Amino acid sequence: AQSVTQPDIHITVSEGASLELRCNYSYGATPYLFWYVQSPGQGLQLLLKYFSGDTLVQGIKGFEAEFKRSQSSFNLRKPSVHWSDAAEYFCAVGASNQGGKLIFGQGTELSVKP
Amino acid sequence: EAGVTQFPSHSVIEKGQTVTLRCDPISGHDNLYWYRRVMGKEIKFLLHFVKESKQDESGMPNNRFLAERTGGTYSTLKVQPAELEDSGVYFCASSQENYNSPLHFGNGTRLTVT
Repeated sequence: AQSVTQPDIHITVSEGASLELRCNYSYGATPYLFWYVQSPGQGLQLLLKYFSGDTLVQGIKGFEAEFKRSQSSFNLRKPSVHWSDAAEYFCAVGASNQGGKLIFGQGTELSVKP
Repeated sequence: EAGVTQFPSHSVIEKGQTVTLRCDPISGHDNLYWYRRVMGKEIKFLLHFVKESKQDESGMPNNRFLAERTGGTYSTLKVQPAELEDSGVYFCASSQENYNSPLHFGNGTRLTVT
């Protein structure tokens, strides 16, 4: 079955520390992979996406993610977290022939300590 | 450009009542999607419109849910009669093309059925 797993429901990091959010997927076809962020009271905003090519993708707000096919993972990273990064983060997977029909993980809530 | 707009932002209704959620996509976006997040669960796909036509409604939970998209512009999602398990946040998203176009999400409608 197709699925996305985000093992960490809630993570707390100190401001300025590095961040890695985990995402594992199970998908039969070649996946399109996405990370979205939802700040309180806001809609989901696309951080970055991977379709093909370079497995390290850069996104907005200083985020990057690395696609590792052998591990079925697409972890999100940021070298130095800012207080404004506190939000909920969602990993999602889709297929090239299904457009915006995505399968989402359960989300990881990020808290940032001053 | 104006983003995806959803109305209302919150709705509290009693079991058995009817509720209609509205989504106004970004102007010119032919693709419109509805997603739902039940509390504590992942965001799940409900259906996809291309202009006024339903392209994929495989995620609709049951026949108490009816989605329409009049003239290929705004969309409504009606729940009739509402049940307790329908509570959650309903997201609408739109995109310009079906493939390789990012989804633009609205802020969601939080539905509470009591």
